[in-house]
Amino acid sequence: QVQLQESGPGLVKPSQTLSLTCTVSGGSISSGGYYWSWIRQHPGKGLEWIGYIYYSGSTYYNPSLKSRVTISVDTSKNQFSLKLSSVTAADTAVYYCARHGAENFDYWGQGTLVTVSS
Amino acid sequence: QSVLTQPPSASGTPGQRVTISCSGSSSNIGSNTVNWYQQLPGTAPKLLIYSNNQRPSGVPDRFSGSKSGTSASLAISGLQSEDEADYYCAAWDDSLNGSWVFGGGTKLTVL
Repeated sequence: QVQLQESGPGLVKPSQTLSLTCTVSGGSISSGGYYWSWIRQHPGKGLEWIGYIYYSGSTYYNPSLKSRVTISVDTSKNQFSLKLSSVTAADTAVYYCARHGAENFDYWGQGTLVTVSS
Repeated sequence: QSVLTQPPSASGTPGQRVTISCSGSSSNIGSNTVNWYQQLPGTAPKLLIYSNNQRPSGVPDRFSGSKSGTSASLAISGLQSEDEADYYCAAWDDSLNGSWVFGGGTKLTVL
């Protein structure tokens, strides 16, 4: 059973960089065949896909966030990470990491709330 | 404003059949498959329906999905109290170099 767990600071100051890590267990990122995504959910709102990475390091980002997003992978630790720069209060959200194959997100982390505030 | 349009709420009584709609366009639902996710209060979304009408292992057959043109629907028959949750549709969108897009979510209340 694949499990994903997000970790990182729950509070980030405006204009700083949000950094989160997703640790994968029960399966290897480097085995291929799956993409590893970040998705966020603003309080009381819907879901917004941020971007994904493949084990090779290939990335693909939501065009609306592309200028501020960097996703990286560390296959030795079976982890992938999100960096979102120049954050504002509008980036306050629950951030989820998730696995997907060609057409759907089949495993999700439990999510972590990140609040942007001074 | 979500790319896929869902009604914000739906409701039904135990045992009833409820449907939730999801409207998109030719660049998303019209050309790609639709997935549905169930989000119980305080939890992460869970894959409920994939490839328009397929159920992952463990999902009861009370849940079914369909797609026609640029719209999709989720149907829940034999409604149960534990079905009270938020439901989201999702699809890949081919516009603007591509992106996953979601509906705004439908809160299902079991009366």
